[in-house]
Parts: sequence; C-alpha cells; structure tokens
Amino acid sequence: AQSVTQLDSQVPVFEEAPVELRCNYSSSVSVYLFWYVQYPNQGLQLLLKYLSGSTLVKGINGFEAEFNKSQTSFHLRKPSVHISDTAEYFCAVSFSGGYQKVTFGTGTKLQVIP
Amino acid sequence: DSGVTQTPKHLITATGQRVTLRCSPRSGDLSVYWYQQSLDQGLQFLIQYYNGEERAKGNILERFSAQQFPDLHSELNLSSLELGDSALYFCASSVGWEGWNEQFFGPGTRLTVL
Repeated sequence: AQSVTQLDSQVPVFEEAPVELRCNYSSSVSVYLFWYVQYPNQGLQLLLKYLSGSTLVKGINGFEAEFNKSQTSFHLRKPSVHISDTAEYFCAVSFSGGYQKVTFGTGTKLQVIP
Repeated sequence: DSGVTQTPKHLITATGQRVTLRCSPRSGDLSVYWYQQSLDQGLQFLIQYYNGEERAKGNILERFSAQQFPDLHSELNLSSLELGDSALYFCASSVGWEGWNEQFFGPGTRLTVL
C-alpha cells in the first residue's frame, strides 16, 4: 500500500532563514505528489504538485519542491521564510495507475520565529 | 476563498445523537471528498463521491454515511455520536476523480460532542 511519511512534526525557524520540510513516500509504481498548506483556522490549499516532467516544482509563496525518485522523497523548501508562512504543511501522494486515492502525511507545523 | 462551502461552521451536540454536515463543491467540480481532522489522528480520508456515485472509502466508521445528490452537493451523516467523534470535518472537491486532481478544501465544520 502507498504511504507517505513526514518525519518532523514541528519545525521552528527564524524569520528570513531557509527551511526544508521533509517528505518520503513508499510506492512501487509512479506517483503524483502534492504539498498542501493549512493556515490557522482554515482549510487546506495547494502549494504545489508534481505530476511528471521537471523534478523541480515551483509553487506559490516562493516555495519549491524536488522530486527524487531514487530516494522516494519530495522535500519542500523555501530560501527565506516570513512570519506569514507559519502554518501546517501536508505532503500527499497518489498512485498514477489503478485506483488513485490520495494519502496525506501527518503534517509538519512550521513555526517562524521573529 | 476556495469556492467550497460547508455548513454549519460549528456544531455542538450530545453523545448518542445524529448530525448532518453539508458541503457544496466548487462550480464545475464533480468529485467530493470528506476528511476528519483531529489532534490524535491527524487528517483522515473518509469517503469520496464522483458525480453521485461512491468512488472510494477510507477510514469511515459504520456509524457514518454520506451521499452526493444530483445537484452535486454532499452530506455526511454521523450517528450514535461518541466523544471521540469530536473533530474538524473537511469537505473538498475536484474536477475529476483521478488522483492527480487538485483538491479544493472548504473551511470545515467543527463538531463538538459533549
């Protein structure tokens, strides 16, 4: 069965510092990968997604992620975080073939410290 | 604003009761998903409908049921409520049923069971 792991439940980082949020998945077939963000008291919204093609994906708000097939990872990065980036970030994976349920990770809370 | 609406925003009820949560998808979206988010379980996929038909089931209890109506709105029915059912319930919608579709999340319904 497909699964997705976000090892870091919380990541504190100072404002204007870079950040990387880790995501690893398990799958023996091709996958689609997503990062969603949940701001306090709101629903989730899509940051970026990888379907195929270039392994470096750029999203909204200056975030980017790199698909690494050999390491089965899809880590999210931002070179300089802002206070407004404080939120919970969810990685999600879906198989590219057969039934395509999306599986969400457990989330990583990013706390930006002024 | 994602275009997905959920009512009510908050619901407080007692154990043993039954409630109905309502979701209206974005205009043009045929697929509706229901999720439960709690502190101990994280974001759990419950069920997906596509154009009125059940498409996939996740960790949905037998006490819970859902349906999608001809006008594409969806309802999630929770019965014989227990304290542990207290959670945030999200509805999401997408254009298609395939796993590569971006999901648009509503603001959620916060259910408190006393």
